Amino acid sequence: GAGVSQSPRYKVAKRGQDVALRCDPISGHVSLFWYQQALGQGPEFLTYFQNEAQLDKSGLPSDRFFAERPEGSVSTLKIQRTQQEDSAVYLCASSLVDQGLAGDNEQFFGPGTRLTVL
Amino acid sequence: DQQVKQNSPSLSVQEGRISILNCDYTNSMFDYFLWYKKYPAEGPTFLISISSIKDKNEDGRFTVFLNKSAKHLSLHIVPSQPGDSAVYFCAASDPNFGNEKLTFGTGTRLTIIP
Repeated sequence: GAGVSQSPRYKVAKRGQDVALRCDPISGHVSLFWYQQALGQGPEFLTYFQNEAQLDKSGLPSDRFFAERPEGSVSTLKIQRTQQEDSAVYLCASSLVDQGLAGDNEQFFGPGTRLTVL
Repeated sequence: DQQVKQNSPSLSVQEGRISILNCDYTNSMFDYFLWYKKYPAEGPTFLISISSIKDKNEDGRFTVFLNKSAKHLSLHIVPSQPGDSAVYFCAASDPNFGNEKLTFGTGTRLTIIP
């Protein structure tokens, strides 16, 4: 496909369950980002990959959150022992190049995965 | 601590008129600002951006103005069209944290009235 895809689009989990959210970036894009968007809020940065290297994970809210991109393309965001406050839309974005002005490095967003923890 | 603020959660504008969306920021280290547009059930899409060395950037019907001294930027859409109805997010990047990390505002829902 031409854009960033994410799966599943919707996920309902019971509290304490582990979940895995998948992101397929645009082919050839070096950088990949995960954001969390709570209801009524803007997206909040979680983590950033350049190829397979996780260069910034400062936004991950706890050690229950783990992200990987082992081959530098598809990425998975895993949340262990989900809690109700994890309910949010999880957005993935990719960009063509690595560092640089954001304007030269437009982030293309996927449609997101809406996670609801009961 | 909300470093990027959009104080108007919603805005309604008549079709054909000008829409003005506002954004304030507190971090003086931000050097690049972007506007994203979001339709329901879709991810945000990039609209327009501005570097801190400029005070205006124009792209068709969209113009972004930056007032660094006031730490304020605005997005002007003229003329407004029904397809412009969406949520608009202001975002900023801080080179000290790598330009990859965007800080978003909470969004303004724009409704264009036919």
